[in-house]
Amino acid sequence: AQKVTQAQTEISVVEKEDVTLDCVYETRDTTYYLFWYKQPPSGELVFLIRRNSFDEQNEISGRYSWNFQKSTSSFNFTITASQVVDSAVYFCALSEDNNAGNMLTFGGGTRLMVKP
Amino acid sequence: NAGVTQTPKFRVLKTGQSMTLLCAQDMNHEYMYWYRQDPGMGLRLIHYSVGEGTTAKGEVPDGYNVSRLKKQNFLLGLESAAPSQTSVYFCASSNFADTQYFGPGTRLTVL
Repeated sequence: AQKVTQAQTEISVVEKEDVTLDCVYETRDTTYYLFWYKQPPSGELVFLIRRNSFDEQNEISGRYSWNFQKSTSSFNFTITASQVVDSAVYFCALSEDNNAGNMLTFGGGTRLMVKP
Repeated sequence: NAGVTQTPKFRVLKTGQSMTLLCAQDMNHEYMYWYRQDPGMGLRLIHYSVGEGTTAKGEVPDGYNVSRLKKQNFLLGLESAAPSQTSVYFCASSNFADTQYFGPGTRLTVL
């Protein structure tokens, strides 16, 4: 069975600090997909990134970067020079390829608070 | 192109009442989903559909029914609402093995 763990329930940083959000997953599949979503205070879920299990290249998008390590079953998310607008709940999620419904399993989320 | 829309945005029910939540998508996606999000928790899958006319149970299906009569719409029904169904409900859609895109959510309170 698939499982996603986000051990950090809340993180508080001061603006301009770097912060890393941890995500550890469990799956028996060799083909799977990992995702990060952002949920700002307004409540909607915003897609950030999708990664397949065969692509271990790290990804950078502006101040955001993602580190995928199959050896440790982790897909961590780093925000560089954090800003107040980054304050949100961030969810990591997993989908297995043999999953008929393409279903997502979510972690419990990490609430990030960026203080000015 | 509105993406995924949900109706209504808010609703308050009394225990035992029924209601239907409507999800619509204009991205021609095959798959649609209903999730619930409870305070401090991630999203949990209620039901999903892999195509028009098909539905299947997710992780927490009890107390809910769904229908997918048209490809673009996915309805979630509560036949007899209970306080335990107070939650925020999210609809999502995707194509196979692709990213799920979410609607804005419906906040439901059952008194």
